[in-house]
Amino acid sequence: SQTIHQWPATLVQPVGSPLSLECTVEGTSNPNLYWYRQAAGRGLQLLFYSVGIGQISSEVPQNLSASRPQDRQFILSSKKLLLSDSGFYLCAGQGSYNSPLHFGNGTRLTVT
Amino acid sequence: AQSVTQLGSHVSVSEGALVLLRCNYSSSVPPYLFWYVQYPNQGLQLLLKYTSAATLVKGINGFEAEFKKSETSFHLTKPSAHMSDAAEYFCAVNTNAGKSTFGDGTTLTVKP
Repeated sequence: SQTIHQWPATLVQPVGSPLSLECTVEGTSNPNLYWYRQAAGRGLQLLFYSVGIGQISSEVPQNLSASRPQDRQFILSSKKLLLSDSGFYLCAGQGSYNSPLHFGNGTRLTVT
Repeated sequence: AQSVTQLGSHVSVSEGALVLLRCNYSSSVPPYLFWYVQYPNQGLQLLLKYTSAATLVKGINGFEAEFKKSETSFHLTKPSAHMSDAAEYFCAVNTNAGKSTFGDGTTLTVKP
């Protein structure tokens, strides 16, 4: 089965600093990959979706970008963080269209 | 386009009581439906999935859900709540386009 590795677990960054969160997948090839953000007490907001290397769909216009340089690697980035970028970021992988998502343990980002 | 509605953002039950978490979906094609559970500061874990086999689906931790096409519902139940069931629960739908859509989540509180 799939395992999603996501790091770091927590991160505190000042406003205006860059961001790079990495997610790697074990146990499946050519997975669909997702980045979600979860604000405190809120549901999941889909940020980016990827069906293959270099193929990224952006769901919400924002201060963030994503890249997929390798089949099992998905990176979330920002050039300059805003206070509103604070939240719990989750990476997820999916083996096929009828499969459930497998989630990493998340990164708690606090922008100060 | 598909969508998911979870009725009740907060549900509170007594230990030993029936748990009922409601989920209604909208999909133009036969859906694949899922329930996930999220404990604090963790990623989501799959509870159960419906993929067009039996309409009554059994999952982990004593949970089950029934797919009712006529009502476009996929409600989650557990006969007897345990303190360890306190968590956030998410309903999700996939279509053959693959991308998952999540409901806003329901926080389950279990009172002693």
